[in-house]
Amino acid sequence: ETGVTQSPTHLIKTRGQQVTLRCSSQSGHNTVSWYQQALGQGPQFIFQYYREEENGRGNFPPRFSGLQFPNYSSELNVNALELDDSALYLCASSSQGQGENGYTFGSGTRLTVV
Amino acid sequence: SQKIEQNSEALNIQEGKTATLTCNYTNYSPAYLQWYRQDPGRGPVFLLLIRENEKEKRKERLKVTFDTTLKQSLFHITASQPADSATYLCARPPSGGYNKLIFGAGTRLAVHP
Repeated sequence: ETGVTQSPTHLIKTRGQQVTLRCSSQSGHNTVSWYQQALGQGPQFIFQYYREEENGRGNFPPRFSGLQFPNYSSELNVNALELDDSALYLCASSSQGQGENGYTFGSGTRLTVV
Repeated sequence: SQKIEQNSEALNIQEGKTATLTCNYTNYSPAYLQWYRQDPGRGPVFLLLIRENEKEKRKERLKVTFDTTLKQSLFHITASQPADSATYLCARPPSGGYNKLIFGAGTRLAVHP
């Protein structure tokens, strides 16, 4: 059984650029959630995808968007990057309706915006 | 708002002692609370879930309690080891849905030999 894999592990972008982060969910999991974690803070929910559709969204602007593919992998896209977007971006997978059994997180992508 | 508050100060304890971490929540009582461990530069790892009708849950050296009157969960690590040093996160689902988790800021635990 493989865990959640995220790529890349680190990324440096310039303000105003666009970025795409990728996530492969754990085998058997059909739901993917994305979280943003600033230094010293807990993860903040961005959105969740189930069956290739957005299934809940946190308090993030529309320039944060996502996709889920038929194999349940997912992408997070951020347009018009701002300095405050610098953070650890975490992907978490679960089976729909089984989130109360705990989410499986990837190791994250560390994004630095300069 | 539905907040989760954890002691933001680091907890330093001696190896072998019991570490106790606190998680307080506001407003309505969640159906459950989850506890995660996070090491530097890594994603959180799920440890335990406790439901609101459960007073206590144990897993090896870990024990979690849930007090709906105090609106508080306590997380205990008995016979602590330096390898237990990490940040521990408490999380709750929001009201009206279970599509996400609301996390506390976490408490950093340092166990000294």
